[in-house]
Amino acid sequence: SAVISQKPSRDICQRGTSLTIQCQVDSQVTMMFWYRQQPGQSLTLIATANQGSEATYESGFVIDKFPISRPNLTFSTLTVSNMSPEDSSIYLCSVVSGRETQYFGPGTRLLVL
Amino acid sequence: GQQLNQSPQSMFIQEGEDVSMNCTSSSIFNTWLWYKQDPGEGPVLLIALYKAGELTSNGRLTAQFGITRKDSFLNISASIPSDVGIYFCAGRGNRDDKIIFGKGTRLHILP
Repeated sequence: SAVISQKPSRDICQRGTSLTIQCQVDSQVTMMFWYRQQPGQSLTLIATANQGSEATYESGFVIDKFPISRPNLTFSTLTVSNMSPEDSSIYLCSVVSGRETQYFGPGTRLLVL
Repeated sequence: GQQLNQSPQSMFIQEGEDVSMNCTSSSIFNTWLWYKQDPGEGPVLLIALYKAGELTSNGRLTAQFGITRKDSFLNISASIPSDVGIYFCAGRGNRDDKIIFGKGTRLHILP
């Protein structure tokens, strides 16, 4: 298994500002992902964070809005840029470890006013 | 694309009752995963299934990987108040495919 931590755990932000969320894993992992979960909804994949190269974004998500860094195999950041109230969500870091099993961090709860 | 249908959407049960929920897919999966999410937390992996027909238990939880590889179920026996939460199924086709999530089953336990 993998133990994943995220910072911050929650934040309240003003519209137009940006927030960077950090994800730290206790072991080296190849595959790392960022998800968004809007209130009462399932999980939506934002992008795959690739170590040493640009992230791979899903349809509907763009690098200018959600820039991602992956400097090594244990760490990644997701920035939510130029925030609006519609960006209020839980943002989740996730990794694949062991036998192709996917684990999730505790999430970052973001409220944009 | 691949889709997962998870049912029921929500359940209201009495403490002590058994619970059953399932997921069906429009295509074949090679891995099925079941997660539980408490309010304000990230999903926690309950059971992982890797082979058609596999039946795996984790305490009071039992999950099975359907023979057709297009479905899976999760049973909870003798429910207790801490079982309240949202249960998500997830599946993956090939090794490099992204996992697909169901929409979740919200479990409520009546006092």
